Amino acid sequence: GESVGLHLPTLSVQEGDNSIINCAYSNSASDYFIWYKQESGKGPQFIIDIRSNMDKRQGQRVTVLLNKTVKHLSLQIAATQPGDSAVYFCAEKGGSNYQLIWGAGTKLIIKP
Amino acid sequence: DGGITQSPKYLFRKEGQNVTLSCEQNLNHDAMYWYRQDPGQGLRLIYYSQIVNDFQKGDIAEGYSVSREKKESFPLTVTSAQKNPTAFYLCASSFRQREAGTEAFFGQGTRLTVV
Repeated sequence: GESVGLHLPTLSVQEGDNSIINCAYSNSASDYFIWYKQESGKGPQFIIDIRSNMDKRQGQRVTVLLNKTVKHLSLQIAATQPGDSAVYFCAEKGGSNYQLIWGAGTKLIIKP
Repeated sequence: DGGITQSPKYLFRKEGQNVTLSCEQNLNHDAMYWYRQDPGQGLRLIYYSQIVNDFQKGDIAEGYSVSREKKESFPLTVTSAQKNPTAFYLCASSFRQREAGTEAFFGQGTRLTVV
């Protein structure tokens, strides 16, 4: 669900290491999940998505894992680079009105 | 190129004035959304529209108004009733159908400052 008024959690990762960003989703009826990256002063950009009939999906340097049992979604970024510094949001879709529900976001900081 | 365009990028408003933020998309998307983002925080839904001539309040609709007269356009008016309007405003659009790639595409945002 949405965490209104709370500041974003932060994850600091050494450049070159792998990053894992986690998200707990709220609606057990959700069947479509999306990760977005938002750089400072810009709109969010689509990274990768996954449907509920899958557990894992891979893109270029990114992997999304879905655990429906515990309603958990994660984004793994391999060999993190300075350009990966951003805020990462998860979003879910499902239910009768099929609306997007946004997670709170995680700020990823890359240490040189 | 297809995309979603917000204008202006920066907007300054005097207290007590209404201002309208523009959002246009040429992606043939049915649904359009307005979000507010405050520094260091996530996205909060103001209004959304699933179809022309119809829109629904989001979580923080008070002090805002919208219209959806055309599929391509979803302008947001920040009224004088909005007590703390300074924020970053994001517009998004998506397909409605489950079968389509229903991720939302975002504009680059409008930063509104009350002076």
